[in-house]
Amino acid sequence: ILNVEQSPQSLHVQEGDSTNFTCSFPSSNFYALHWYRWETAKSPEALFVMTLNGDEKKKGRISATLNTKEGYSYLYIKGSQPEDSATYLCAFGTASKLTFGTGTRLQVTL
Amino acid sequence: DTAVSQTPKYLVTQMGNDKSIKCEQNLGHDTMYWYKQDSKKFLKIMFSYNNKELIINETVPNRFSPKSPDKAHLNLHINSLELGDSAVYFCASSLDKRSYNEQFFGPGTRLTVL
Repeated sequence: ILNVEQSPQSLHVQEGDSTNFTCSFPSSNFYALHWYRWETAKSPEALFVMTLNGDEKKKGRISATLNTKEGYSYLYIKGSQPEDSATYLCAFGTASKLTFGTGTRLQVTL
Repeated sequence: DTAVSQTPKYLVTQMGNDKSIKCEQNLGHDTMYWYKQDSKKFLKIMFSYNNKELIINETVPNRFSPKSPDKAHLNLHINSLELGDSAVYFCASSLDKRSYNEQFFGPGTRLTVL
């Protein structure tokens, strides 16, 4: 059983705050690390896929880093907005399978 | 145009019945998946097909039988439904079976077994 853990489980921030979450995963058999954004009543949408140790990806105010040697990835949101409210899932990829974490639920209030 | 579609969106049925959920993708992808979102909101892989060939079959009761008539479709048939089968089932697809390809998810099918 692969353990993919995310912390915190939930987070409540004010508009304009910057925040970050953690995904930890096994450091062996690594192929890829995915981040997905999952809004309530919708389906998960891919944010980033990272494959190399030290990878950094950015999309607007959201960025992610990857450390495959120690088995963790960080997702950062700069200047949170109410529309960033969602559950953020990471997924650890072996050769052909993704194992998802339980997600970090982010609530951004005015 | 919906990239990954599932039908039905909601399914309410009695214990013991047999039901099917259908999934179609118009992205030209080779690989399709079925996930189950359990009561703790956890997404777990059930099956994966690559070009109509089963490549992932997790520990799922054999009451669940996937079928892929072509690479654009992956259906899930469930026999003798049980209360514990109540969940949201998500279909997904990716360009090919390698895990560095992002997955595109359907809207989900909420199954309720009474």
